Amino acid sequence: SQELEQSPQSLIVQEGKNLTINCTSSKTLYGLYWYKQKYGEGLIFLMMLQKGGEEKSHEKITAKLDEKKQQSSLHITASQPSHAGIYLCGAAFNAGGTSYGKLTFGQGTILTVHP
Amino acid sequence: DGGITQSPKYLFRKEGQNVTLSCEQNLNHDAMYWYRQDPGQGLRLIYYSQIVNDFQKGDIAEGYSVSREKKESFPLTVTSAQKNPTAFYLCASSIRRSFNGGGYTFGSGTRLTVV
Repeated sequence: SQELEQSPQSLIVQEGKNLTINCTSSKTLYGLYWYKQKYGEGLIFLMMLQKGGEEKSHEKITAKLDEKKQQSSLHITASQPSHAGIYLCGAAFNAGGTSYGKLTFGQGTILTVHP
Repeated sequence: DGGITQSPKYLFRKEGQNVTLSCEQNLNHDAMYWYRQDPGQGLRLIYYSQIVNDFQKGDIAEGYSVSREKKESFPLTVTSAQKNPTAFYLCASSIRRSFNGGGYTFGSGTRLTVV
């Protein structure tokens, strides 16, 4: 089973609508990253969350990490066609040992925004 | 500008053939990673290296090999033992204490197809 589950797997919205993507862990997270990917390209870093209850925003995208550090959400306000792509969460489960620096990724959420 | 360069962008492999994917970074990052991406499965870790001349198996290392002779370079060889190599391969790098920074920097990927 996946250590990190993303939902929904795909999302189709009309331009201007708000949307939320969730990332749920079966274990307590040490750190959580959000990335965006356009099809056939590399991943672009969006935000990193590490503290329980932390919230960060960049332009129209807001990411939150819950107090228990097992769930994160990515919220897009007033979506635009430029927001379309694949959104992936990546988690670090601990800071030391052989897994130092290693991230585990969710399956990704494919976002389509219709003009 | 600093970044990660993957080459080639597209690669075709015949049955029974070994192929090598190139990954070069000029970010002075210590750690480098290889991930495989299949539709609906997110990113799965193949190999990672935290320092020169040392590397560790990831979750799906069978049928792959790597080397880390230089800090800047982390080539991945897909051997004939890998039974299902068709996928999108992503290379990434990070400073060792990546949890305090921007996470990974990704290359633009190599799409490998078996013909």
